[in-house]
Amino acid sequence: AQTVTQSQPEMSVQEAETVTLSCTYDTSESDYYLFWYKQPPSRQMILVIRQEAYKQQNATENRFSVNFQKAAKSFSLKISDSQLGDAAMYFCAYRGGATNKLIFGTGTLLAVQP
Amino acid sequence: DAEITQSPRHKITETGRQVTLACHQTWNHNNMFWYRQDLGHGLRLIHYSYGVQDTNKGEVSDGYSVSRSNTEDLPLTLESAASSQTSVYFCASSARGPNTEAFFGQGTRLTVV
Repeated sequence: AQTVTQSQPEMSVQEAETVTLSCTYDTSESDYYLFWYKQPPSRQMILVIRQEAYKQQNATENRFSVNFQKAAKSFSLKISDSQLGDAAMYFCAYRGGATNKLIFGTGTLLAVQP
Repeated sequence: DAEITQSPRHKITETGRQVTLACHQTWNHNNMFWYRQDLGHGLRLIHYSYGVQDTNKGEVSDGYSVSRSNTEDLPLTLESAASSQTSVYFCASSARGPNTEAFFGQGTRLTVV
């Protein structure tokens, strides 16, 4: 079975600084996709960034980028120039090419200090 | 605009009662999912469906059931509510394909007393 692990329950960053959230996963599938979702206090789930496992190039979306290490099964999220609006729960998620199930980690609560 | 909606937003029920949470999407998505969110556990998959008449069990399916009679709806039923089922429930939908974005409803906070 596929699993997703987020080992940092809480993180804190100063405004304008950079922070990295960690995620590891376990799978025997060769075709899969990885995602980071943001959940602000409103409870809305917002897709931040996605990565295809077959692509070596790390995905980037404005201030958000990932460090995808396929052999290590690691998928970390880097937030640059942190803003107060980045404060939220962040979930790492896995989706297999065969099963199509979306599986989440336990989340990292990010606080942004002014 | 297409959307996915859950109802009710909040519900309090008594132990042993049957409860149904509604999920309706207008994206015309084939895939639909139900999750529960609990502190320290993240989002755990309860049931999912790849299309009409198709349902599958997730990792925490005991005590829950779903049925898919049309594309738009996937209601979640708690057959006999227990206090352990107090949680926030999320419905999500996506198009076919593992690289497609999943869209989430706004969540239902269920309290079983």
